[in-house]
Amino acid sequence: DTAVSQTPKYLVTQMGNDKSIKCEQNLGHDTMYWYKQDSKKFLKIMFSYNNKELIINETVPNRFSPKSPDKAHLNLHINSLELGDSAVYFCATGQGLNTEAFFGQGTRLTVV
Amino acid sequence: AQRVTQPEKLLSVFKGAPVELKCNYSYSGSPELFWYVQYSRQRLQLLLRHISRESIKGFTADLNKGETSFHLKKPFAQEEDSAMYYCALRGGSEKLVFGKGTKLTVNP
Repeated sequence: DTAVSQTPKYLVTQMGNDKSIKCEQNLGHDTMYWYKQDSKKFLKIMFSYNNKELIINETVPNRFSPKSPDKAHLNLHINSLELGDSAVYFCATGQGLNTEAFFGQGTRLTVV
Repeated sequence: AQRVTQPEKLLSVFKGAPVELKCNYSYSGSPELFWYVQYSRQRLQLLLRHISRESIKGFTADLNKGETSFHLKKPFAQEEDSAMYYCALRGGSEKLVFGKGTKLTVNP
C-alpha cells in the first residue's frame, strides 16, 4: 500500500503543451511538497502546502501552479511546457516540524 | 538563510573500505538534520536523522555544531551502498533544504 503515489511515472510531451502531475498520500500528513530534481540530480523545493494552504512558493515560473483539492492531494499543473522543464518531479509529505519527509517515486517529465 | 553544502559530487571507494560523505550546513538556529538516500531509479528515502542518534544499514552521522557539520560515515562500505546521498536541513520551518547530493560508488 503505497504511502505517497504520483501519476504518471513517466511523461513525454511536446513544448508548449499543458500537463498535470498528480500526487496522493494516505499517511494523513498535513504538509505536502513538490520538489524538482534536475539532470545534475540537484533537488530543490518548489512548493509546500499545509492543510490545503500554500505556505512555500520558491522562485518558480508562473507556468507552474499547484492545486490542493483536499489534504490528501497536491497536483502540479504546468502550462506552456519548455525544454528546461525536463526533470524528475517528486511529491513528498510531512507531518509538522522536526519530522522527515516521505517521498513519492517521482515523475520523469521529458519535454521534446 | 538555510544552506546545505555537500562538497563531493562523486565519491568512489572499494568494498570494505571506510566511507565518509561530508555535509556542512549554514543556519543560525538549531537545525534538524537528515540524510536521505536514493538508490538507482527509486524514490528518496530517509536514511537517518540526527535527533534519533541511530545507526541504519551501518551508517552513522554525528551533528557537530562547532563545525556545523553532519558527516555520514560507515566503517565498511558494501556494493549495495552505491547510491545518491543527500544531506538535508530543516530550520524551524516547513521547508526541507537539500544539498546537491553525493554519488557514492562502491567498487568490488
